[in-house]
Amino acid sequence: GAVVSQHPSWVICKSGTSVKIECRSLDFQATTMFWYRQFPKQSLMLMATSNEGSKATYEQGVEKDKFLINHASLTLSTLTVTSAHPEDSSFYICSASLLGTKGQYFGPGTRLTVL
Amino acid sequence: RKEVEQDPGPFNVPEGATVAFNCTYSNSASQSFFWYRQDCRKEPKLLMSVYSSGNEDGRFTAQLNRASQYISLLIRDSKLSDSATYLCVVNFLVDNNNDMRFGAGTRLTVKP
Repeated sequence: GAVVSQHPSWVICKSGTSVKIECRSLDFQATTMFWYRQFPKQSLMLMATSNEGSKATYEQGVEKDKFLINHASLTLSTLTVTSAHPEDSSFYICSASLLGTKGQYFGPGTRLTVL
Repeated sequence: RKEVEQDPGPFNVPEGATVAFNCTYSNSASQSFFWYRQDCRKEPKLLMSVYSSGNEDGRFTAQLNRASQYISLLIRDSKLSDSATYLCVVNFLVDNNNDMRFGAGTRLTVKP
């Protein structure tokens, strides 16, 4: 099946720093990538949807200036958490889909801890 | 009202038991439906799609009732390895792009 990778798998940073997370589709071209956040014992929450070559669409309540998304190619999307704070500590998961297909392929997630 | 609602559980069942999970969704325009499985601190993985005619994959049976906007998952002969959180997911296409909404998940623990 399709494979999606994320890097890094975990990161610990100081409050105020920025963290970049990469999401790659390894064996297919992803027209759309999604970024989710999951707090402990809670559901996946969609943060934003990004299409290659265009601006990301953010969900209500998600600050676009804080969570910068770049989808520069059909195989790579990046999420940058700017000026991270402890409340941004979470499990960030990306997923990718092919145009018009059902279902999404998830990356293994990135666990962010902000001290 | 949440877009996708599930009983969070936890469901604690003995090995060999049959267990059923339910899920309701609010958007009648939803077009496709899935059950995902998520292990602790891991990403969700697709368990099975759900079709109106119902579908079965080994010990797992999924049902969809569009009129009632209701989805179910039945697990027969539970194994210890079935312990996980099961996520109900509904999807609809917006401008040919997927918009997937997740339930909060139902946690299952199968005990020896």
